Amino acid sequence: ETGVTQSPTHLIKTRGQQVTLRCSSQSGHNTVSWYQQALGQGPQFIFQYYREEENGRGNFPPRFSGLQFPNYSSELNVNALELDDSALYLCASSLAVGTLSGRTYNEQFFGPGTRLTVL
Amino acid sequence: KNEVEQSPQNLTAQEGEFITINCSYSVGISALHWLQQHPGGGIVSLFMLSSGKKKHGRLIATINIQEKHSSLHITASHPRDSAVYICAVSNSGGGADGLTFGKGTHLIIQP
Repeated sequence: ETGVTQSPTHLIKTRGQQVTLRCSSQSGHNTVSWYQQALGQGPQFIFQYYREEENGRGNFPPRFSGLQFPNYSSELNVNALELDDSALYLCASSLAVGTLSGRTYNEQFFGPGTRLTVL
Repeated sequence: KNEVEQSPQNLTAQEGEFITINCSYSVGISALHWLQQHPGGGIVSLFMLSSGKKKHGRLIATINIQEKHSSLHITASHPRDSAVYICAVSNSGGGADGLTFGKGTHLIIQP
């Protein structure tokens, strides 16, 4: 069973640039969630993708966007980078079953994270 | 007020001690998660529970849904247990399952 992987591990960008972070979900999982963890803080939910569609979103501006591909891997894109975007970006994959009104989510498995520094 | 509160924020103990970390939440949840994060960032899921009690090795997690409270216990603690322990809740209600996290408990076990 292949675990959750993320790339790159580290990234340095400057203000105003755009960045794409990648996540490969664990085999058999259909849901990917993205989180931002600023230094010394707990992670914050950015958004979640289920079967290639955005399934829910936290309190992040539209310049944070994402994609999920048919193999359930995912990308997080951030446009117009700001200094405060410097953080550890974590993705987590899980298996969801059922319909929207009664969907059940199983345990989330986290990747190692991408540390983004914006200068 | 944060929806998920953990205590203590920091805990230093001697090897072999029984450790308890507490988590209280203020929202309806579908599940509660206990996670472990080591320096460098990697997060490992320890438990996902919605009722009762779960045990894995020296770790025990309990939840009281009526009181909106959960505890993580570590028996016979060891220096390798030193890490940040994070409580997180799912309140999906059938929609997205984005977790809401506590701020974590920084645990140090001294030899």
